[in-house]
Amino acid sequence: AQSVTQLDSQVPVFEEAPVELRCNYSSSVSVYLFWYVQYPNQGLQLLLKYLSGSTLVKGINGFEAEFNKSQTSFHLRKPSVHISDTAEYFCAGPGAGSYQLTFGKGTKLSVIP
Amino acid sequence: DTGVSQNPRHKITKRGQNVTFRCDPISEHNRLYWYRQTLGQGPEFLTYFQNEAQLEKSRLLSDRFSAERPKGSFSTLEIQRTEQGDSAMYLCASSSLIPGLAAYEQYFGPGTRLTVT
Repeated sequence: AQSVTQLDSQVPVFEEAPVELRCNYSSSVSVYLFWYVQYPNQGLQLLLKYLSGSTLVKGINGFEAEFNKSQTSFHLRKPSVHISDTAEYFCAGPGAGSYQLTFGKGTKLSVIP
Repeated sequence: DTGVSQNPRHKITKRGQNVTFRCDPISEHNRLYWYRQTLGQGPEFLTYFQNEAQLEKSRLLSDRFSAERPKGSFSTLEIQRTEQGDSAMYLCASSSLIPGLAAYEQYFGPGTRLTVT
Protein backbone atom coordinates (compact mmCIF):
# COMPACT_ATOMS: atom_id res chain seq x y z
CA ALA A 1 0.00 0.00 0.00
CA GLN A 2 1.10 3.53 -0.69
CA SER A 3 2.06 5.60 2.32
CA VAL A 4 3.16 9.07 3.24
CA THR A 5 5.03 9.71 6.46
CA GLN A 6 5.40 13.03 8.20
CA LEU A 7 8.20 12.66 10.67
CA ASP A 8 7.32 15.51 13.02
CA SER A 9 3.94 15.94 14.67
CA GLN A 10 4.76 19.41 16.03
CA VAL A 11 7.33 22.00 15.01
CA PRO A 12 7.75 25.20 17.03
CA VAL A 13 9.79 27.94 15.39
CA PHE A 14 10.44 31.59 16.12
CA GLU A 15 9.05 34.26 13.84
CA GLU A 16 11.33 35.12 10.90
CA ALA A 17 13.33 31.90 11.36
CA PRO A 18 13.51 29.27 8.59
CA VAL A 19 11.49 26.07 8.82
CA GLU A 20 11.52 22.64 7.21
CA LEU A 21 8.63 20.18 7.52
CA ARG A 22 9.59 16.66 6.54
CA CYS A 23 7.67 14.22 4.36
CA ASN A 24 8.68 10.82 3.01
CA TYR A 25 6.67 8.68 0.63
CA SER A 26 6.69 5.03 -0.35
CA SER A 27 7.96 4.55 -3.86
CA SER A 28 5.40 4.24 -6.60
CA VAL A 29 5.36 3.87 -10.33
CA SER A 30 3.58 7.18 -10.63
CA VAL A 31 4.57 9.88 -8.17
CA TYR A 32 2.60 12.99 -7.55
CA LEU A 33 2.86 14.81 -4.26
CA PHE A 34 1.10 17.70 -2.59
CA TRP A 35 1.34 19.85 0.49
CA TYR A 36 -1.87 21.19 1.97
CA VAL A 37 -2.35 23.66 4.82
CA GLN A 38 -5.26 23.55 7.26
CA TYR A 39 -6.16 26.42 9.56
CA PRO A 40 -8.31 25.68 12.64
CA ASN A 41 -11.82 24.53 11.80
CA GLN A 42 -11.27 24.93 8.09
CA GLY A 43 -10.76 22.68 5.09
CA LEU A 44 -7.49 22.00 3.33
CA GLN A 45 -5.89 24.56 1.05
CA LEU A 46 -3.47 23.44 -1.64
CA LEU A 47 -0.05 24.91 -0.89
CA LEU A 48 2.00 23.39 -3.69
CA LYS A 49 2.28 20.34 -5.92
CA TYR A 50 4.81 18.14 -7.65
CA LEU A 51 3.44 16.42 -10.75
CA SER A 52 6.48 16.26 -13.03
CA GLY A 53 9.35 18.37 -14.27
CA SER A 54 11.46 20.55 -12.00
CA THR A 55 12.13 18.96 -8.63
CA LEU A 56 11.98 22.32 -6.87
CA VAL A 57 8.42 23.56 -6.72
CA LYS A 58 7.19 26.86 -5.40
CA GLY A 59 3.83 27.44 -3.83
CA ILE A 60 1.77 30.10 -2.18
CA ASN A 61 2.80 32.16 0.84
CA GLY A 62 6.52 31.82 0.11
CA PHE A 63 6.68 28.05 0.61
CA GLU A 64 8.69 25.70 -1.57
CA ALA A 65 9.41 21.98 -1.62
CA GLU A 66 11.98 19.74 -3.23
CA PHE A 67 11.17 16.34 -4.68
CA ASN A 68 14.04 13.94 -4.01
CA LYS A 69 13.56 10.61 -5.72
CA SER A 70 16.63 8.91 -4.27
CA GLN A 71 15.58 9.77 -0.71
CA THR A 72 11.84 9.42 -1.45
CA SER A 73 11.30 12.77 0.23
CA PHE A 74 9.29 15.91 -0.42
CA HIS A 75 10.21 18.31 2.38
CA LEU A 76 8.48 21.68 2.70
CA ARG A 77 10.57 24.78 3.43
CA LYS A 78 10.16 28.47 4.08
CA PRO A 79 13.11 30.78 4.64
CA SER A 80 11.31 33.12 7.06
CA VAL A 81 8.05 32.27 8.79
CA HIS A 82 5.30 34.62 9.94
CA ILE A 83 2.81 34.33 12.76
CA SER A 84 0.13 33.75 10.13
CA ASP A 85 1.88 30.51 9.07
CA THR A 86 0.72 28.86 12.30
CA ALA A 87 -1.41 25.97 11.04
CA GLU A 88 -1.34 22.24 10.39
CA TYR A 89 0.42 21.02 7.25
CA PHE A 90 -0.34 17.78 5.44
CA CYS A 91 1.70 15.96 2.85
CA ALA A 92 -0.28 13.82 0.39
CA GLY A 93 0.56 11.34 -2.36
CA PRO A 94 -0.88 8.46 -4.39
CA GLY A 95 -3.45 6.34 -2.63
CA ALA A 96 -4.36 2.70 -3.00
CA GLY A 97 -6.69 3.30 -5.95
CA SER A 98 -7.03 5.59 -8.92
CA TYR A 99 -7.25 9.27 -8.05
CA GLN A 100 -7.23 8.64 -4.31
CA LEU A 101 -4.88 10.62 -2.12
CA THR A 102 -3.22 9.25 0.96
CA PHE A 103 -2.26 11.75 3.62
CA GLY A 104 0.35 11.92 6.32
CA LYS A 105 -0.74 12.51 9.90
CA GLY A 106 0.10 16.19 9.69
CA THR A 107 2.63 18.54 11.25
CA LYS A 108 1.47 21.38 13.48
CA LEU A 109 3.61 24.43 12.88
CA SER A 110 3.60 26.93 15.72
CA VAL A 111 5.27 30.26 15.07
CA ILE A 112 6.44 31.92 18.25
CA PRO A 113 6.56 35.75 18.36
CA ASP B 1 -15.59 32.59 -5.38
CA THR B 2 -16.67 29.25 -6.92
CA GLY B 3 -14.75 26.88 -4.68
CA VAL B 4 -16.05 23.68 -3.13
CA SER B 5 -18.87 24.31 -0.67
CA GLN B 6 -20.24 22.05 2.03
CA ASN B 7 -23.35 22.21 4.16
CA PRO B 8 -23.91 22.22 7.00
CA ARG B 9 -20.62 23.34 8.49
CA HIS B 10 -21.48 21.83 11.84
CA LYS B 11 -23.90 19.10 12.84
CA ILE B 12 -24.68 17.84 16.32
CA THR B 13 -26.82 14.75 16.49
CA LYS B 14 -27.81 12.09 18.97
CA ARG B 15 -26.58 8.56 18.63
CA GLY B 16 -28.86 6.50 16.42
CA GLN B 17 -30.05 9.39 14.27
CA ASN B 18 -29.42 9.65 10.53
CA VAL B 19 -27.47 12.59 9.09
CA THR B 20 -26.92 13.82 5.55
CA PHE B 21 -24.23 16.19 4.33
CA ARG B 22 -24.11 18.02 1.03
CA CYS B 23 -21.14 18.94 -1.15
CA ASP B 24 -21.16 21.26 -4.18
CA PRO B 25 -17.94 20.88 -6.20
CA ILE B 26 -16.20 23.44 -8.37
CA SER B 27 -18.56 23.77 -11.32
CA GLU B 28 -16.30 22.46 -14.07
CA HIS B 29 -14.95 19.54 -12.01
CA ASN B 30 -16.16 16.06 -12.89
CA ARG B 31 -14.62 14.10 -10.02
CA LEU B 32 -15.83 14.42 -6.45
CA TYR B 33 -14.32 12.81 -3.37
CA TRP B 34 -15.32 12.28 0.25
CA TYR B 35 -12.79 12.02 3.06
CA ARG B 36 -13.07 11.69 6.82
CA GLN B 37 -10.68 13.38 9.21
CA THR B 38 -10.52 12.46 12.87
CA LEU B 39 -8.67 14.41 15.53
CA GLY B 40 -4.93 14.31 15.10
CA GLN B 41 -5.05 12.46 11.79
CA GLY B 42 -4.84 13.29 8.14
CA PRO B 43 -7.88 12.90 5.89
CA GLU B 44 -8.88 9.32 5.10
CA PHE B 45 -10.37 8.51 1.69
CA LEU B 46 -13.96 7.20 1.70
CA THR B 47 -15.33 7.23 -1.85
CA TYR B 48 -15.29 9.09 -5.15
CA PHE B 49 -17.45 9.82 -8.17
CA GLN B 50 -16.68 10.50 -11.78
CA ASN B 51 -19.71 12.42 -12.99
CA GLU B 52 -22.63 10.44 -11.52
CA ALA B 53 -20.81 7.10 -11.35
CA GLN B 54 -19.45 6.00 -7.98
CA LEU B 55 -16.18 4.38 -9.00
CA GLU B 56 -14.82 3.44 -5.60
CA LYS B 57 -16.82 2.72 -2.48
CA SER B 58 -15.01 -0.15 -0.84
CA ARG B 59 -13.36 2.29 1.58
CA LEU B 60 -16.68 3.44 3.05
CA LEU B 61 -16.41 2.64 6.72
CA SER B 62 -19.49 0.46 7.03
CA ASP B 63 -22.83 -0.21 5.35
CA ARG B 64 -24.23 2.66 7.43
CA PHE B 65 -22.37 5.04 5.11
CA SER B 66 -23.65 5.81 1.63
CA ALA B 67 -23.04 8.51 -0.94
CA GLU B 68 -24.87 9.70 -4.03
CA ARG B 69 -24.29 12.07 -6.88
CA PRO B 70 -27.50 11.68 -8.88
CA LYS B 71 -26.99 14.27 -11.59
CA GLY B 72 -23.24 14.50 -11.61
CA SER B 73 -23.27 17.83 -9.83
CA PHE B 74 -23.67 17.99 -6.03
CA SER B 75 -23.21 14.96 -3.82
CA THR B 76 -24.63 13.81 -0.50
CA LEU B 77 -23.07 11.63 2.15
CA GLU B 78 -25.48 9.90 4.51
CA ILE B 79 -24.68 8.16 7.77
CA GLN B 80 -27.45 6.01 9.19
CA ARG B 81 -27.78 5.09 12.87
CA THR B 82 -24.91 7.33 13.90
CA GLU B 83 -22.46 6.19 16.56
CA GLN B 84 -20.14 8.25 18.73
CA GLY B 85 -17.20 6.95 16.73
CA ASP B 86 -18.61 8.72 13.67
CA SER B 87 -17.72 12.08 15.21
CA ALA B 88 -15.23 13.63 12.79
CA MET B 89 -14.74 16.23 10.10
CA TYR B 90 -16.15 15.12 6.75
CA LEU B 91 -14.35 16.71 3.83
CA CYS B 92 -15.35 16.92 0.20
CA ALA B 93 -12.94 17.59 -2.65
CA SER B 94 -13.19 17.88 -6.41
CA SER B 95 -10.87 17.64 -9.39
CA SER B 96 -11.10 18.01 -13.13
CA LEU B 97 -10.94 15.42 -15.89
CA ILE B 98 -8.04 17.05 -17.73
CA PRO B 99 -5.49 14.53 -18.99
CA GLY B 100 -2.25 13.84 -17.21
CA LEU B 101 -1.13 14.14 -13.64
CA ALA B 102 -2.98 17.43 -13.12
CA ALA B 103 -6.12 15.31 -12.76
CA TYR B 104 -4.85 14.26 -9.34
CA GLU B 105 -4.96 17.82 -8.03
CA GLN B 106 -7.84 17.99 -5.56
CA TYR B 107 -9.48 21.07 -4.09
CA PHE B 108 -11.17 20.78 -0.73
CA GLY B 109 -14.23 22.33 0.81
CA PRO B 110 -14.42 23.70 4.37
CA GLY B 111 -15.77 20.44 5.76
CA THR B 112 -18.71 19.42 7.92
CA ARG B 113 -17.89 18.76 11.55
CA LEU B 114 -20.11 16.04 12.98
CA THR B 115 -20.54 15.55 16.70
CA VAL B 116 -22.52 12.52 17.86
CA THR B 117 -23.66 12.73 21.48
